[in-house]
Amino acid sequence: EPEVTQTPSHQVTQMGQEVILHCVPISNHLYFYWYRQILGQKVEFLVSFYNNEISEKSEIFDDQFSVERPDGSNFTLKIRSTKLEDSAMYFCASGYPPPAEQYFGPGTRLTVT
Amino acid sequence: QKEVEQNSGPLSVPEGAIASLNCTYSDRGSQSFFWYRQYSGKSPELIMFIYSNGDKEDGRFTAQLNKASQYVSLLIRDSQPSDSATYLCAVPSYSGGGADGLTFGKGTHLIIQP
Repeated sequence: EPEVTQTPSHQVTQMGQEVILHCVPISNHLYFYWYRQILGQKVEFLVSFYNNEISEKSEIFDDQFSVERPDGSNFTLKIRSTKLEDSAMYFCASGYPPPAEQYFGPGTRLTVT
Repeated sequence: QKEVEQNSGPLSVPEGAIASLNCTYSDRGSQSFFWYRQYSGKSPELIMFIYSNGDKEDGRFTAQLNKASQYVSLLIRDSQPSDSATYLCAVPSYSGGGADGLTFGKGTHLIIQP
């Protein structure tokens, strides 16, 4: 059964550094998403992407964040200058219209020190 | 802003019994509802979704939707210890862009007692 994959599983970085989180969505899906979950808190929507552009973004997704689909299979989330409060699990999800059920990858644990 | 409310629990249910998980939502215009299961340290796993008022059954799971009361529930029949997890209710944003982000509740922690 196709799955969303994410790399790395754990990323440790220093405050102020740039990080790129990688995702490979399910191959025939057209909608792509990033979520985050701070330890002990609820899953929060960051951004959605469709037809090579951002479809929707939350208040969390400020200018420090960007997304890209550099080729036909990868979907990345970049945080330009990480802060301590960016420490969280970051989940990528993909879906197929409509209306899209979203299937989550295993997540990348980001630790900012 | 959409809100999704769930009782955080823990909800403790004996093995073999029916577990009932509840969720209320704030936006009366919401049309679809998703239930996810999340084991500790893992990602959310889609269990089922429902769009129409009434019941929808899938194996041991039944989702119930009452749009008038803005209430959606998940029933798990013949509960097993492996059902012990946090159950998340989620509602799409309907932003109009096509790829709607989900608003999640905090989740209900379910414990199935052997």
